[in-house]
Order: sequence, then C-alpha cells, then structure tokens
Amino acid sequence: AQKITQTQPGMFVQEKEAVTLDCTYDTSDQSYGLFWYKQPSSGEMIFLIYQGSYDEQNATEGRYSLNFQKARKSANLVISASQLGDSAMYFCAMRGNFGNEKLTFGTGTRLTIIP
Amino acid sequence: NAGVTQTPKFQVLKTGQSMTLQCAQDMNHNSMYWYRQDPGMGLRLIYYSASEGTTDKGEVPNGYNVSRLNKREFSLRLESAAPSQTSVYFCASTRKGGVEQFFGPGTRLTVL
Repeated sequence: AQKITQTQPGMFVQEKEAVTLDCTYDTSDQSYGLFWYKQPSSGEMIFLIYQGSYDEQNATEGRYSLNFQKARKSANLVISASQLGDSAMYFCAMRGNFGNEKLTFGTGTRLTIIP
Repeated sequence: NAGVTQTPKFQVLKTGQSMTLQCAQDMNHNSMYWYRQDPGMGLRLIYYSASEGTTDKGEVPNGYNVSRLNKREFSLRLESAAPSQTSVYFCASTRKGGVEQFFGPGTRLTVL
C-alpha cells in the first residue's frame, strides 16, 4: 500500500518569497513516481512536476523544483519567487511500479500568497 | 484537442436516484480513472481502466459501477445515490507508459 502525508494544512507566504511544501511518502515498491498537482479555486487539477524514484537529479520545471530525499522518503515542492497566482491547493501524489499508474494523493496544502 | 471532458458539470440528485457521469478523452490514451474529492481528504480513486475492455476497483468503489465503452469513453454510474456520495468527481487519463495524468474539469454532485 502507498501513503502520502502532507502535514501543512495551510501556509501564508509573502509575495516574492520562496516557499517549501512538505510531502512524505511510504511505499514498498522499488520503483515509483512522485507528483505535484496544483488546484486553483476554479477547481481544475494542474500537473506541476514529476520525479521518478531512480532519477538521480531533482526535477525542476521553471519556478518549481522537487527536493527529493529518498532515504527520508520526502518529496518537497519548492516554489521560488512566489506570485499571487500561486495561491491554490497543492497536492502531492505517488504511483507505484511501472505499469501501475494509479495515483495516491495526499490531503493537500492550501497556499496563500500575501501581497 | 479538447483533452478530457466531463458531463455534466453540476448535478443535484435525491437519495435513491441513479445517474451516469460521462467522461471522454481525445488523446488516444490507454488508461482512464475516476476519482472523488471530498473536503480535507484529497482525491481518492474509485475505479480505473488500464485499457479498453478492462476495469478494476480502486480505493473507494462501493456504490459505483463503471463502463469503458471504447478507448475514448469511461462512464461512472451511481445506481442508488446516497448523501455520502456528495463530492466532486474527476476523470483522468494517461497514455501507456506516460507520466502525467490529465484531468477533466470535474463534476460537482450533490445528493439530498
């Protein structure tokens, strides 16, 4: 079984500051993938970034980076230079071995950017 | 490309009524999924279909049935709706071996 834990229900961050959203996971699979999705108030799910368990380097996508620490089973999302449009719910998710594409989601973190 | 589409966007049902939520994707994806999102609980998998003609249960399948009508369409049926099924329902799809799951806009369902 897979489990995702997001311990920050809500965060408030000043505009232009960097923010780290925490995510820890648990799985018995040797190969797995970690995802972050953004859900703005409009409700759609927006894919942000992906990290494979065998990827040697941390994933980056523009202002988003994933701080992957395999031994600690953590996959934190870092947003640099936050913007007002970053205010949203953020979900960490994982899938198991290749071929098992089902996602297990965490409970999410509501991020609010303060001008 | 419309991506993943869902109908309807909103629906109100009375307890005991039935309905089908429709999902279609135009990206030629093999796998399709149904999730529900409840406040404070994130998204939970109801059913999924790894390929046309196959379906399997996810984490919370009770009270639901699914049909993979063809490669494009994956429907979710509530035979006898209950207030506990009040939720936002998301359909998603992914290509074989792909990374990203593409989500539809969601259906907000209220059961009175």
